[in-house]
Order: sequence, then C-alpha cells, then structure tokens
Amino acid sequence: GQQVMQIPQYQHVQEGEDFTTYCNSSTTLSNIQWYKQRPGGHPVFLIQLVKSGEVKKQKRLTFQFGEAKKNSSLHITATQTTDVGTYFCAGIYGGSQGNLIFGKGTKLSVKP
Amino acid sequence: NAGVTQTPKFQVLKTGQSMTLQCAQDMNHNSMYWYRQDPGMGLRLIYYSASEGTTDKGEVPNGYNVSRLNKREFSLRLESAAPSQTSVYFCASRKDPFGQPQHFGDGTRLSIL
Repeated sequence: GQQVMQIPQYQHVQEGEDFTTYCNSSTTLSNIQWYKQRPGGHPVFLIQLVKSGEVKKQKRLTFQFGEAKKNSSLHITATQTTDVGTYFCAGIYGGSQGNLIFGKGTKLSVKP
Repeated sequence: NAGVTQTPKFQVLKTGQSMTLQCAQDMNHNSMYWYRQDPGMGLRLIYYSASEGTTDKGEVPNGYNVSRLNKREFSLRLESAAPSQTSVYFCASRKDPFGQPQHFGDGTRLSIL
C-alpha cells in the first residue's frame, strides 16, 4: 500500500538551533499536510501544500513540497521550547477519497 | 463551539469486553474519521465516513465496527476487546472529503488487560 516515510524519528536540539524533518513517498502525492501534536495532546493542522515546488512560511516554520511532489520538509529556525512536540506529515494520493496517510512523525525535544 | 468531542477520555477494559467510543462534531462537517495511535506508529486510519449514511474501512479495520448515527455523530465499537487494541483513539472530522484540514478530538486512552 501507499506509505509516507518520515525521518528522523527523534530530534533533540538546544534552544536556538534549527530543526528539519523530512517526508518521502515512493509515488506522487496530490497534496501533503503537516500537523503538530503537543505531548498528551491531539494533532493540530499546520498547513497544506498543493503545488509542485511550493514553499510556504509561518513565522519561523518553512514548509516545502518537492518538484516531483514525492517529498516534503518542515524546517524550524531558531527553535524555542514552545516548539516541543511531534510533527507529522500526511500525504494525500489522487483517487484515495482524500484520506490522509500519516508518516510516523518526528518527536522534537528542545533543551533550554 | 466545542469542535470534536470524544467520550470517554480514559477507559480500562478486560479482554473480551465490549465498548463503544463516542464522537460528535458541531462544525457541520461532512466527513468523519477514526484513527488509532500507537507509539512509533503514527496515526492509522481504522474507519471513515465520507458523508452521512456511508462508512468505509481504513488501513486497520479488523476488530472494530462503526456507525454514522447522523451528520454529527460517528461511533466506534469494539465487540470483543483484545490487548492488541490498547491504544489512543482519535476521532477527526473534515468539511469536505478532499484537501481540507482534519480537526481532531482530544482522544480516548484505552487500555485492555
């Protein structure tokens, strides 16, 4: 079946360092969404990317969608303790009724 | 505006017992979903309902049944609970099937002994 691979599984950074998580699909995605889950919480939608090569920014967060629409990344500049949580990408494939295929997530911890 | 409400928040069952997880949304969304989340596994889709009156299997439907009671409510039933079903269960809803963000409830933490 369709799978979205996400790396790394864990990332520990010092506050102020940058952080990047990567997602990859073996087949072309229609869209990709990103979610954040705080410890003990539920996933919260961050953004959706639709176009090939698309780049979107939200303050210190930069999201990219690859030219082939098979990979995506989330980069956080100068991490803060409020960035702690697990970041999930979720791919949508054409003809799938728009169901999300979640990556396994990257758990970010930030040391003050 | 409560969004997506799940009950109960916590539950402990014995193997073989049955129970129903409840989910209701007040956003007039058409589509609703049930996921399970296990450590290191991300979220896996159990069942979904693209619109009122329809339900379909997701990636991991075995051992579960669902009912889309009306547009607001989508329940998940475990007929004979097994320890492998120990997990955190999330309900989510979305306005339209394709390309819209999903809104999640707070989850039900279920332990089966």
